[in-house]
Amino acid sequence: QQKVQQSPESLIVPEGAMTSLNCTFSDSASQYFAWYRQHSGKAPKALMSIFSNGEKEEGRFTIHLNKASLHFSLHIRDSQPSDSALYLCAVSMSSNTNKVVFGTGTRLQVLP
Amino acid sequence: DMKVTQMPRYLIKRMGENVLLECGQDMSHETMYWYRQDPGLGLQLIYISYDVDSNSEGDIPKGYRVSRKKREHFSLILDSAKTNQTSVYFCASSSGGEQYFGPGTRLTVL
Repeated sequence: QQKVQQSPESLIVPEGAMTSLNCTFSDSASQYFAWYRQHSGKAPKALMSIFSNGEKEEGRFTIHLNKASLHFSLHIRDSQPSDSALYLCAVSMSSNTNKVVFGTGTRLQVLP
Repeated sequence: DMKVTQMPRYLIKRMGENVLLECGQDMSHETMYWYRQDPGLGLQLIYISYDVDSNSEGDIPKGYRVSRKKREHFSLILDSAKTNQTSVYFCASSSGGEQYFGPGTRLTVL
């Protein structure tokens, strides 16, 4: 059974800071790794995803994946107040890539 | 415009009443999901549907059942609702990889 854990549970950073969010998983054969962002009272929305080891950058957001260490992370450069949200990591089951397990989330607050 | 819709958005029911939550998508996605979200517990998978009449239990299926008679429509049914089913319910759809979520239904069972 895939286990997904996120850290920290909550984070407060000043505007302009670099923010790092972490996710660990238990199944090294997992194939799909993603971050979702959920603003208060809204639906989760996919932010970025990665399928293989390494790094992927899109604008201010970067994902790092290291399957050997069962860890992937999201880094937000120049954090903005509009980035304040709940961030959920998601990891697929190795036996069924349609099924993902979500972490319990990191609540990020960016102070202006 | 890719969209997942949910009805109703808010619902208050008494314990023991039946509940029907409806979800639609316009992307012809084969796979659809029902999740519930509670504070501190993240998104928990209730049921997954791989296509019409091809449904599988998720991690917390007890007390729920689903119906999918058309690819674009997926229903969640609570027979005799319980107070511990008070939650926010999200429907999602996917063609593999990214999941697209509906706006959610806030269900309160009194």
